[in-house]
Amino acid sequence: SQQGEEDPQALSIQEGENATMNCSYKTSINNLQWYRQNSGRGLVHLILIRSNEREKHSGRLRVTLDTSKKSSSLLITASRAADTASYFCATSPTSNTGKLIFGQGTTLQVKP
Amino acid sequence: EAGVAQSPRYKIIEKRQSVAFWCNPISGHATLYWYQQILGQGPKLLIQFQNNGVVDDSQLPKDRFSAERLKGVDSTLKIQPAKLEDSAVYLCASSLEPIQGPELYGYTFGSGTRLTVV
Repeated sequence: SQQGEEDPQALSIQEGENATMNCSYKTSINNLQWYRQNSGRGLVHLILIRSNEREKHSGRLRVTLDTSKKSSSLLITASRAADTASYFCATSPTSNTGKLIFGQGTTLQVKP
Repeated sequence: EAGVAQSPRYKIIEKRQSVAFWCNPISGHATLYWYQQILGQGPKLLIQFQNNGVVDDSQLPKDRFSAERLKGVDSTLKIQPAKLEDSAVYLCASSLEPIQGPELYGYTFGSGTRLTVV
């Protein structure tokens, strides 16, 4: 069963604006990861945040994790048209051996 | 470093036919995963291998799906017979090891095989 629920399902913004996507999950986790998927392509790993971390940055990406609320957010700052893609959160539950459970994804469109 | 290779990229078959997908993971990656991604949804794990042994196949429809990873390197996923609801992208991913690989680096995914069953 899917673990993560993502919000919003779709997001459309102008180039230069910030994009925020949220993810909620159900069980205890080792870590939470965000992936990007361009249309018709495989998933690309963006960033990983461990369960004992609260915030992490990588370039224009900022991820937060609130384990008490079982939620995470991904912020993309100063978005570009090339950021247009689907974004998925994936959790590594504490109960298993490296398996990732993916959410339904947020489709981001950045208009030039 | 070469990525995860998958073939074919696209496949169209009629229902009740059989089909096979191939995956070659990154060299040295012990753990290999097959995911099914139905249009508009997130990927769902079908099977996880550690070397040539199965770690988790709890969501693999074993009446029609089978997978193997001979010699702990390449893997094949087979569907026989296919149903309309099997239309999806089949993604292969690999990681160095089940815990520290995803912990440190996440997965590396292939480009997937898009299957259409008509």
